[in-house]
Amino acid sequence: GEDVEQSLFLSVREGDSSVINCTYTDSSSTYLYWYKQEPGAGLQLLTYIFSNMDMKQDQRLTVLLNKKDKHLSLRIADTQTGDSAIYFCAESINTGNQFYFGTGTSLTVIP
Amino acid sequence: SQTIHQWPATLVQPVGSPLSLECTVEGTSNPNLYWYRQAAGRGLQLLFYSVGIGQISSEVPQNLSASRPQDRQFILSSKKLLLSDSGFYLCAWTPGTGSYYEQYFGPGTRLTVT
Repeated sequence: GEDVEQSLFLSVREGDSSVINCTYTDSSSTYLYWYKQEPGAGLQLLTYIFSNMDMKQDQRLTVLLNKKDKHLSLRIADTQTGDSAIYFCAESINTGNQFYFGTGTSLTVIP
Repeated sequence: SQTIHQWPATLVQPVGSPLSLECTVEGTSNPNLYWYRQAAGRGLQLLFYSVGIGQISSEVPQNLSASRPQDRQFILSSKKLLLSDSGFYLCAWTPGTGSYYEQYFGPGTRLTVT
């Protein structure tokens, strides 16, 4: 299956850390991704992780992957108002030709 | 560098009218191409993908169709639009070869069916 699930909303205060969670069902995932979508725009790739990795850090972003539980998270440190957007997790499976996206988490940063 | 274009940016069409959305990619060859729909308040739904000219795979049955007449051109069409076709349509591409499957998205087309 290709079910990818996320909670729909998250609110945090400016300067706090945000943690966005995602669960997926397909154990043959090769890469897992986090995308950001600002209002009225396309998706922008933030970061990705190969399925044999546990963690990846990129400046304020930390991705954690628990392959056993099929759980992916994105932590944004020192969240800023410019981080307000919808965040999608996605997976690509073995063939690499197909991507499956979660429903998106709308992050609101409160000043 | 590679760029992806979509047009039109916004479209308002009456129910029953035809549809044609176009996507083109520059700066690469033999890309994999994708059409997604994002309905209001929902996530992305993969509609079609293509690994080459004339090769189209459909993910969901619907009244939409896709065509790839040229290597870097992907077209989404409908003969008769339904109200439920309203949404934000995104085109994306990935390199056709290689093991790193990053997707690059276009700016999207906002379709409102009235």
